[in-house]
Amino acid sequence: GQQLNQSPQSMFIQEGEDVSMNCTSSSIFNTWLWYKQDPGEGPVLLIALYKAGELTSNGRLTAQFGITRKDSFLNISASIPSDVGIYFCAGRINGGSQGNLIFGKGTKLSVKP
Amino acid sequence: SQTIHQWPATLVQPVGSPLSLECTVEGTSNPNLYWYRQAAGRGLQLLFYSVGIGQISSEVPQNLSASRPQDRQFILSSKKLLLSDSGFYLCAWAQGWGETQYFGPGTRLLVL
Repeated sequence: GQQLNQSPQSMFIQEGEDVSMNCTSSSIFNTWLWYKQDPGEGPVLLIALYKAGELTSNGRLTAQFGITRKDSFLNISASIPSDVGIYFCAGRINGGSQGNLIFGKGTKLSVKP
Repeated sequence: SQTIHQWPATLVQPVGSPLSLECTVEGTSNPNLYWYRQAAGRGLQLLFYSVGIGQISSEVPQNLSASRPQDRQFILSSKKLLLSDSGFYLCAWAQGWGETQYFGPGTRLLVL
């Protein structure tokens, strides 16, 4: 089945630093989504991408849909302590059960004040 | 606006006891509904999804079952819990097939 490779698995950074994480797949995706999960809570949608090459920002967050449609990255600029959490990418290809989202295993972000 | 609720928030159950977790969605009709399990605060494993009342698809064989008795209600059940059923259970909804999924707050289950 399709798989998403999300990296890095975890990051330990200093407050103020920029962060970059990405997801890659061997399959072509029609949608890329980025979620953030705070400890003990459900994931919350951060950014949704629907077109190859699309670059979208949400405050200090920027995400891009790779032009090959097999990858996406999420950048966080000037990190702050509340950025701590697990970030998930998710992708979707159309058709049958493949229409369900496929999730990466997450990037756990720790920010040191 | 749409909201999704999960109940209970936390549950501690003995091995062999039954389980019933509830998920309800407000503000939308005929949503797709999903149950995920998350172990050790990491990846999401899709357990079940439903595209309509009484329609349940299972993604992985396991000790759990799901039911959708009403349009906006999704229930995760077990007749006899195992230690390995411990985890964080997330319900999600989507407006249509393949649409963006929105998650509930989760239920933390500890089986002792």
